[in-house]
Amino acid sequence: ELKVEQNPLFLSMQEGKNYTIYCNYSTTSDRLYWYRQDPGKSLESLFVLLSNGAVKQEGRLMASLDTKARLSTLHITAAVHDLSATYFCAVDINFGNEKLTFGTGTRLTIIP
Amino acid sequence: DTGVSQNPRHKITKRGQNVTFRCDPISEHNRLYWYRQTLGQGPEFLTYFQNEAQLEKSRLLSDRFSAERPKGSFSTLEIQRTEQGDSAMYLCASSYMRDSWETQYFGPGTRLLVL
Repeated sequence: ELKVEQNPLFLSMQEGKNYTIYCNYSTTSDRLYWYRQDPGKSLESLFVLLSNGAVKQEGRLMASLDTKARLSTLHITAAVHDLSATYFCAVDINFGNEKLTFGTGTRLTIIP
Repeated sequence: DTGVSQNPRHKITKRGQNVTFRCDPISEHNRLYWYRQTLGQGPEFLTYFQNEAQLEKSRLLSDRFSAERPKGSFSTLEIQRTEQGDSAMYLCASSYMRDSWETQYFGPGTRLLVL
């Protein structure tokens, strides 16, 4: 059974600081997704990582994928309050059946 | 088209009652997924459709749950004889399958509370 683990589960950081969220998964996959969820809202797609070594960047967020280590990271640069949300990574392992297995999420709070 | 829509947004029901939720996907999307999310957890896969065919159901989907997508467009999720453990956010997502990957776009969800 595929397991997806994120850490930390909770992260409180000051504006302007850098930090990294980690996503480990237990079964070989080369497709990993990052989503953002604001309180009471649905999930917003951030990144799709499709191969080993893939790196995607959008604003202050950068995601990378190491399929050999079964690890993805989401790096936050010079955090701002607007980035406060819960971040989920999700993995799918079956081509042709792309059901996603989500991690438990990282609740990020940016303190002014 | 502005995205995936779900109705109702909130539903409060008494234990033992039946409830039905509706999902309208993005119009050109051929795949539709249902997930359930409980407080503090990530979404869990329930079932998915390609066009009108239901291709997989999770073990989480007991016999009390049924989903349909009759014409390959909107979908309904029905829960019969609701239990308090069914209280959760029910999320619908849709996608268009590309060569080897897809991005699932999520709707706003239906929050169910079973009293």
